[in-house]
Amino acid sequence: GNSVTQMEGPVTLSEEAFLTINCTYTATGYPSLFWYVQYPGEGLQLLLKATKADDKGSNKGFEATYRKETTSFHLEKGSVQVSDSAVYFCALSDLGQAGTALIFGKGTTLSVSS
Amino acid sequence: DAMVIQNPRYQVTQFGKPVTLSCSQTLNHNVMYWYQQKSSQAPKLLFHYYDKDFNNEADTPDNFQSRRPNTSFCFLDIRSPGLGDAAMYLCATSRDKGVLTNEKLFFGSGTQLSVL
Repeated sequence: GNSVTQMEGPVTLSEEAFLTINCTYTATGYPSLFWYVQYPGEGLQLLLKATKADDKGSNKGFEATYRKETTSFHLEKGSVQVSDSAVYFCALSDLGQAGTALIFGKGTTLSVSS
Repeated sequence: DAMVIQNPRYQVTQFGKPVTLSCSQTLNHNVMYWYQQKSSQAPKLLFHYYDKDFNNEADTPDNFQSRRPNTSFCFLDIRSPGLGDAAMYLCATSRDKGVLTNEKLFFGSGTQLSVL
């Protein structure tokens, strides 16, 4: 079945450091890929998405490129801020499975210190 | 302003005592979802409503039920909570079925359920 695997956390960085959170997926068909973020005490929010191979999603300085050949959708940011501290979830949806909602990874906690 | 509201934020119940979690939305979205998220695990879809049509995931236990009396409200009923049902329960909405339109999901803040 479809699944998403994220790197284990927590990830601890200093402000202005470079961030990479790895995400790989297993899916039949051609999934769309998403990154959601959950700030402390809040619900999940869509951060960015990509709907086909080689698409790059970007938002708030974060980027992720849909790599079909490596089945990956790694999240990157060039310079993190303390306000980026949150839990990040990689997710996929598959057009071949009508009625199925998003499938999430376990989440990666990011902690940024000043 | 919160668009998907879950109450309460924390819920404590006793083993075997029925409990209901609530979710409301101001977005007038067609689809409402319930996810279960256990500690350090991925959110897992329990079921969703597409308008009034209920769609249960194949591996959702019978102990979990849902009601959607109108567009704005959706309830999660746990008939006989066990210790293993302690988790964060997330409600989400989308304007249409996400898998068909790639529409994003809007999440509430969740209800953390404890079972004593």
